Amino acid sequence: EIVLTQSPATLSLSPGERATLSCRASQIISSSNLAWYQQRPGQAPRLLIYAASSRATGIPDRFSGSGSGTDFTLTISRLEPEDFAVYYCQQYGSSPGTFGQGTKVDIK
Amino acid sequence: ELQLVESGGGLVKPGGSLRLSCAASGFTFSFYSMNWVRQAPGKGLEWVASIGSGGSHISYTDSVKGRFTISRDNAKNSLYLQMNSLRAEDTAVYYCAKCPSGDCYINYFGPWGQGTLVTVSS
Repeated sequence: EIVLTQSPATLSLSPGERATLSCRASQIISSSNLAWYQQRPGQAPRLLIYAASSRATGIPDRFSGSGSGTDFTLTISRLEPEDFAVYYCQQYGSSPGTFGQGTKVDIK
Repeated sequence: ELQLVESGGGLVKPGGSLRLSCAASGFTFSFYSMNWVRQAPGKGLEWVASIGSGGSHISYTDSVKGRFTISRDNAKNSLYLQMNSLRAEDTAVYYCAKCPSGDCYINYFGPWGQGTLVTVSS
């Protein structure tokens, strides 16, 4: 199965700053079948990005995804207070679909 | 408004059984693959099981094969997870989630229900 490694484990930033989160796969992810999720404390995850770079319905344009092959990035252009959360990547190009271990974005 | 509402969680002893349900509304349930994803306390996300829109194309993560059974009733807009031979390591919040793009072969997930907690402990 494909192993996804997210870095950093924790990112400490201030509101208004730019966040860059990385997700690296142990094998090439076919058709860029990679998704990103946000999970706020006590809440269910929410789909942000699918197909590596397509925003899900209702997701603000400060969230963007990029990458292909084995290296993918989630960028939050300017952090809003509600963006401090844990972010997970997930590949769905090869069975079984697998998640990364998460990156926590917290307030500096 | 699309809603997924899980129920059926609770405290069960090791070796016991539990049946989770997910009631869906606000979309044409029979058009979409459905899934269970779990999250152990303080841990990350783990896909558990998927079922195709018509009830075929079922798959499980290795750790639950032979113990868990996913099913659906499209007439009732409901998804189920029968969990047998439960172990301590099955303790988690179990989320119901649809595949956004329809009948997916390998699923991604959105939106998600609020989850139901399953605790396996003596």
